[in-house]
Amino acid sequence: DAKTTQPNSMESNEEEPVHLPCNHSTISGTDYIHWYRQLPSQGPEYVIHGLTSNVNNRMASLAIAEDRKSSTLILHRATLRDAAVYYCILRDQDSGAGSYQLTFGKGTKLSVIP
Amino acid sequence: DTGVSQNPRHKITKRGQNVTFRCDPISEHNRLYWYRQTLGQGPEFLTYFQNEAQLEKSRLLSDRFSAERPKGSFSTLEIQRTEQGDSAMYLCASSKSGLAGGPEDEQFFGPGTRLTVL
Repeated sequence: DAKTTQPNSMESNEEEPVHLPCNHSTISGTDYIHWYRQLPSQGPEYVIHGLTSNVNNRMASLAIAEDRKSSTLILHRATLRDAAVYYCILRDQDSGAGSYQLTFGKGTKLSVIP
Repeated sequence: DTGVSQNPRHKITKRGQNVTFRCDPISEHNRLYWYRQTLGQGPEFLTYFQNEAQLEKSRLLSDRFSAERPKGSFSTLEIQRTEQGDSAMYLCASSKSGLAGGPEDEQFFGPGTRLTVL
């Protein structure tokens, strides 16, 4: 899987929007962009994923650059429960049986200030 | 179904002992994964099952590690002759069958088993 680059940490005020960036300059045409987050003392949980178009769900929005070399996870109103490590992961649809694993980096630790 | 469950949640053992962890995936999920996570790092892939077949193993899975999923439902991860370097959180995840990146491509993680080797 291609590599991603994320800031080590970010801070946000409660109830403010948060934009979490991810760079993936070597992304291939068949790579999906996935985001997971890990709350303290819990396993990771899926947030959102997309290929080319921007995506929205109940948790967040995913904005994907036109050249697909970067993406941004948007939390529209940060709450204290959003404090977590956020991981940006590329998944290749065409890499065969080994494509189902997730390759995590260190992610971005988001702190939410009350 | 309340999600992926793992037992025990915590395990403390002495170096050289054997330990076994259990994972119960979401019932309709065909795929099951094991990951290991050390402090300050993201989870690292260990192995993956499609039903009862173990389809991939990471280089991290040394000969002391063995995983099984005998009936395609729950899975066990055994570590023999534990070493202090095995201390970590062991995470299990499950997912439906489907194309990577497709609409069903979401892994559901359990809470993990924290192993401490003294």
